[in-house]
Amino acid sequence: SVLPQSPGTLSVSPGERVTLSCRASQATSSRYIAWYQQKPGQAPRLLIHGASTRATGIPDRFSGSGSGTEFTLTIDRLEPEDVAVYYCQQYGNSPMYSFGQGTKLEIK
Amino acid sequence: QLQLQESGPGLVEPSETLSLTCNVSGGSISTTYNYWGWVRQPPGKALEWIGSIFYRGSTYNNPSLASRVTMSVDTSTNQFSLRLASVTAADTAVYYCARDRSDGYNSAGLDIWGRGTMVIVSS
Repeated sequence: SVLPQSPGTLSVSPGERVTLSCRASQATSSRYIAWYQQKPGQAPRLLIHGASTRATGIPDRFSGSGSGTEFTLTIDRLEPEDVAVYYCQQYGNSPMYSFGQGTKLEIK
Repeated sequence: QLQLQESGPGLVEPSETLSLTCNVSGGSISTTYNYWGWVRQPPGKALEWIGSIFYRGSTYNNPSLASRVTMSVDTSTNQFSLRLASVTAADTAVYYCARDRSDGYNSAGLDIWGRGTMVIVSS
């Protein structure tokens, strides 16, 4: 199943803050939520796991939070290099891994 | 540093079997700390997890694909493989292999990915 993410597309100016949302298929432990960044033509990159733990090498402009079924990814001080599609992922249900449909982030 | 690289045919005929291999370099595939996974992405669409395999051979699969999926590990060559049977045009996608930091109970995500390989199903 595909997790709902909102908004579908977001256009933001450099330097601003953005918040992306994801709804889990059912109430889940925050341990089971991850976020990925996929730039055009590239493989996804893990940003956040355990809902709020940054992966190795991820700058602190990226942060995650949430509980139950509602989770968010926040990007502070937006940079042009942040243009990408962002996916959330849930672990532990059936299928074991479910991805969101993605939020496309554009720079104004 | 650990790197993954997918390989296999870029074109598969309908009803045939898609076969891909992921080569793991810079580390051993025979680790108890993670599984090894496959994810695909049809053109312009979202990611879809296919399945994951432990180096000893235990697997877990996406139920939507499980009847057609076979995964295996070859520790002698540090590779793991995916076979998807009876393919149709709907299986056309970029296929990624990835290190799956799960242990069957918890997950720290898919943290290292290959570059992906495009597979087109067409006659």
